Amino acid sequence: EAGVTQFPSHSVIEKGQTVTLRCDPISGHDNLYWYRRVMGKEIKFLLHFVKESKQDESGMPNNRFLAERTGGTYSTLKVQPAELEDSGVYFCASAGQLYNSPLHFGNGTRLTVT
Amino acid sequence: RKEVEQDPGPFNVPEGATVAFNCTYSNSASQSFFWYRQDCRKEPKLLMSVYSSGNEDGRFTAQLNRASQYISLLIRDSKLSDSATYLCVVNDAGGGNKLTFGTGTQLKVEL
Repeated sequence: EAGVTQFPSHSVIEKGQTVTLRCDPISGHDNLYWYRRVMGKEIKFLLHFVKESKQDESGMPNNRFLAERTGGTYSTLKVQPAELEDSGVYFCASAGQLYNSPLHFGNGTRLTVT
Repeated sequence: RKEVEQDPGPFNVPEGATVAFNCTYSNSASQSFFWYRQDCRKEPKLLMSVYSSGNEDGRFTAQLNRASQYISLLIRDSKLSDSATYLCVVNDAGGGNKLTFGTGTQLKVEL
């Protein structure tokens, strides 16, 4: 079974540019999550999709971040325009339908904004 | 105050030693508890869930004290391959896998 895959693995962009991160969850997993770890801090929740619907987006930092999951398969997270404080590692995770199904994390996208 | 607090370490221990990590959480309504392991520049991976009755998986034992809002992880007979960062993770009330992570405790097992 293929795990959660994320693309790109690394991205270096300049302040003000746009970046789109992609996550492919494990096939059949309705639940998809985005988390982020900024330098020196703990991993923090960004948002949760159930299929194509946003279940909880309380962790999204501001309106420069837009997450989509059209068709309920893969998800994208766009940052526009990027700021220096957006640098960090963005993790995607997916989980099955059962309550408290364990999360399976992707390898993450390391974003550096210069 | 952080929602999940851990001693960042590092804990440097010799191979074969027993090491214990502790964690406290602030939300008394939290429903479920986990230890994740994260290797350098890798993704977090679930090590084990933590139950009130305490649970064991091989060399690893986890304990939860809901009254004190305290979670522990004990590693016996530590191996070089146990070197990693151990993340204490709490699932907020309401479920949905909205996990709250501690900053992690770094373990280095040495020869």
